[in-house]
Amino acid sequence: EAQVTQNPRYLITVTGKKLTVTCSQNMNHEYMSWYRQDPGLGLRQIYYSMNVEVTDKGDVPEGYKVSRKEKRNFPLILESPSPNQTSLYFCASRVSQRGAGGYTFGSGTRLTVV
Amino acid sequence: AQSVTQLGSHVSVSEGALVLLRCNYSSSVPPYLFWYVQYPNQGLQLLLKYTTGATLVKGINGFEAEFKKSETSFHLTKPSAHMSDAAEYFCAVSKLNNAGNMLTFGGGTRLMVKP
Repeated sequence: EAQVTQNPRYLITVTGKKLTVTCSQNMNHEYMSWYRQDPGLGLRQIYYSMNVEVTDKGDVPEGYKVSRKEKRNFPLILESPSPNQTSLYFCASRVSQRGAGGYTFGSGTRLTVV
Repeated sequence: AQSVTQLGSHVSVSEGALVLLRCNYSSSVPPYLFWYVQYPNQGLQLLLKYTTGATLVKGINGFEAEFKKSETSFHLTKPSAHMSDAAEYFCAVSKLNNAGNMLTFGGGTRLMVKP
């Protein structure tokens, strides 16, 4: 089944403790992206990657890092999480950065930073 | 810069009634337009999209949307609501730039369906 898999689904952590949220897709998509979803704000893009070793900032990159060493994986790293990063996070992928194809989204990771 | 405005963060309809979720966008170039649906505890699923051609677009689950360039709108409709339509709906716009297609989402509209 074609899908984007995120782990974990739920995570509670303390301020300053480094964490990684994993994202993997099995569709050989070039383009991958991380979004955070907050009430009333919709989804805002954190980082995106157009292909292996090609990443760039989205609208809200502060406090986050990403890497794209393999085509299928695009982990989101919070080096020193803070409470304002408490949110619902989604990883998404699409065939490429061009064209009008829609995204395939993961099921989300609900992060709470205390 | 492009932006998306969804009028009404919450919409409530009775089962069998018309569903109308409003979306207006701003974009300096002809956009691609999308509607996504998010069911509880799930990711977003693509409902329908407009790229070029026919301005009335049909999607899954009986939903459709019409691109009206003069009104910069892309409202989502369904003739008869079903209980299973209760979810959050997001309108999104994208356009090509140097980084490819950048997708901008509206704030979302939560649809409630009353029996």
